[in-house]
Amino acid sequence: QVTLKESGPVLVKPTETLTLTCTVSGFSLSNARMGVSWIRQPPGKALEWLAHIFSNDEKSYSTSLKSRLTISKDTSKSQVVLTMTNMDPVDTATYYCARIPGSSGWYGVFDYWGQGTLVTVSS
Amino acid sequence: AIRMTQSPSSLSASTGDRVTITCRASQGISSYLAWYQQKPGKAPKLLIYAASTLQSGVPSRFSGSGSGTDFTLTISCLQSEDFATYYCQQYYSYPPGTFGPGTKVDIK
Repeated sequence: QVTLKESGPVLVKPTETLTLTCTVSGFSLSNARMGVSWIRQPPGKALEWLAHIFSNDEKSYSTSLKSRLTISKDTSKSQVVLTMTNMDPVDTATYYCARIPGSSGWYGVFDYWGQGTLVTVSS
Repeated sequence: AIRMTQSPSSLSASTGDRVTITCRASQGISSYLAWYQQKPGKAPKLLIYAASTLQSGVPSRFSGSGSGTDFTLTISCLQSEDFATYYCQQYYSYPPGTFGPGTKVDIK
């Protein structure tokens, strides 16, 4: 059974750095071409892709947020970590991690999602 | 960047109705289009990928069609558990995988 679960602070102050962890089970981050993305959703708004990391350590970031994001993985712990610097109230959102299957034709499709974690940015 | 639009932004329907949602890409994306269902307070769920391929476990009342720039999601016989918001997402130009703004389906 594939599961993903996000964890991290529920409240951060403006200018602080946010660190979120996605712990996965039911698959390995070392599986060929397996990837994990972070996606966020401000309250009442649409989904926004942030970053991904693949088993071969391929990384990519949203163009608009690239300077603030860092994604990494610890395969032994089955965890993917996202850091976002210089947090602002506009970054208040539910942050999701989602799996990208490794098979051909699935690059960019998110087949399993975590439950999400709401992060509020406020002083 | 490829922009995705959806219409309508919301609709009201009754159980048993046939519902159609349209998604349009700002440029051709072949069949690299996915549909997701999101219920309040829950994560999105993958319904359809490759424009028309049903994800495993998704009821057959859901169907998708289209290619190029215009796509549709159809629910043939709306059930109570189908009231949700639906998002399309292109992955032709991935990353990023841009999502549409969503279509909320609620009870008439």
